Amino acid sequence: ELKVEQNPLFLSMQEGKNYTIYCNYSTTSDRLYWYRQDPGKSLESLFVLLSNGAVKQEGRLMASLDTKARLSTLHITAAVHDLSATYFCVASGTYKYIFGTGTRLKVLA
Amino acid sequence: GAVVSQHPSWVICKSGTSVKIECRSLDFQATTMFWYRQFPKQSLMLMATSNEGSKATYEQGVEKDKFLINHASLTLSTLTVTSAHPEDSSFYICSVQGLTGQGATDTQYFGPGTRLTVL
Repeated sequence: ELKVEQNPLFLSMQEGKNYTIYCNYSTTSDRLYWYRQDPGKSLESLFVLLSNGAVKQEGRLMASLDTKARLSTLHITAAVHDLSATYFCVASGTYKYIFGTGTRLKVLA
Repeated sequence: GAVVSQHPSWVICKSGTSVKIECRSLDFQATTMFWYRQFPKQSLMLMATSNEGSKATYEQGVEKDKFLINHASLTLSTLTVTSAHPEDSSFYICSVQGLTGQGATDTQYFGPGTRLTVL
């Protein structure tokens, strides 16, 4: 059974700092997704990672995938307040999404 | 990606009433639709998967007689919460999956969600 764990669950950081969110999944996954959710809103797609070694960057966020370690990371560079949200890692297995626990990020001015 | 709408955005109802939530895929042939629920500060929990023209497949622990799902066309699925109670209050999100110009894909596109409050 595919399980997805994220860490940390909650992250408070100062503006300008860097940090990494980790996502471990338990069995082979077809794809790995990262989503952002603002309070009271639905999910916004950030990245889709398709293969081992994949790295994608958008603004201050960079996601990577290591399928051998079953690990994906979301790296935040020079955080700004606008990045405050909950971030979900999602693994795809047999056409179903398995959601991670989510990481609530709060960036302090 | 696909554009997905949900209606209503939020609903408040009395305990014992039934509530229907619509999920529409506006520009995408949704062969499969998913329904999730999300409690405050928690992750999304998959409730059921529905394929167009077939009965929905419910996840373990989800009562199919309470959460009725209909996926009558490639653009519309409905979730009816029957005899709603306060513990059914939650954020319900649908997603669609289906065909693009490149063929079948497992990428899901999410609707904006419906907030249900049962008094």
